[in-house]
Amino acid sequence: AQTIHQWPVAEIKAVGSPLSLGCTIKGKSSPNLYWYWQATGGTLQQLFYSITVGQVESVVQLNLSASRPKDDQFILSTEKLLLSHSGFYLCAWSHIFAETLYFGSGTRLTVL
Amino acid sequence: QQQVRQSPQSLTVWEGETAILNCSYENSAFDYFPWYQQFPGEGPALLISILSVSDKKEDGRFTIFFNKREKKLSLHIADSQPGDSATYFCAASPPGGNYKPTFGKGTSLVVHP
Repeated sequence: AQTIHQWPVAEIKAVGSPLSLGCTIKGKSSPNLYWYWQATGGTLQQLFYSITVGQVESVVQLNLSASRPKDDQFILSTEKLLLSHSGFYLCAWSHIFAETLYFGSGTRLTVL
Repeated sequence: QQQVRQSPQSLTVWEGETAILNCSYENSAFDYFPWYQQFPGEGPALLISILSVSDKKEDGRFTIFFNKREKKLSLHIADSQPGDSATYFCAASPPGGNYKPTFGKGTSLVVHP
């Protein structure tokens, strides 16, 4: 069975500080990987997707970047956090040529 | 451009009633429609899905009704339980997917005991 693990569970960071969030998928080779952002009670905004190691496509520009250093790992980062970065960050995976997403449990980010 | 619309934004029903959540879309190329259930503090999870070749999909108390001509679908939750209280997202994708499924803004459901 496939499992998806996100870390950390929660972060409180200062404006202007760097950020790195991670996601690991076990039990599935070559998954499609996704990052989503969700404001409190809000809709799901796709940020990035990746269909292979080393290749990441940006969907929206929010002063964030993503990388896929390994087949099973997806990293979201920024060098300078903004207040608007606060929210719930979700990593997800899907099978190739399939659009059902399997989400992780998320990281709650608070920027002060 | 909001290609997938959900209504109502919030819905309250009593335990045992049928909750009806609506979804409509604009892109006639969409052919796969999953519904996700999200509890507070958790990631969304696939609840039930339908392909546009079908007009109905059932899974226990959950049923999707699909009207391709009108580009509308609805999720019916029969015999609603307090544990069904969650936010429900309708999503849509074209054939073969495009790595960017379109999500609606969600419907927040509260089931009172």
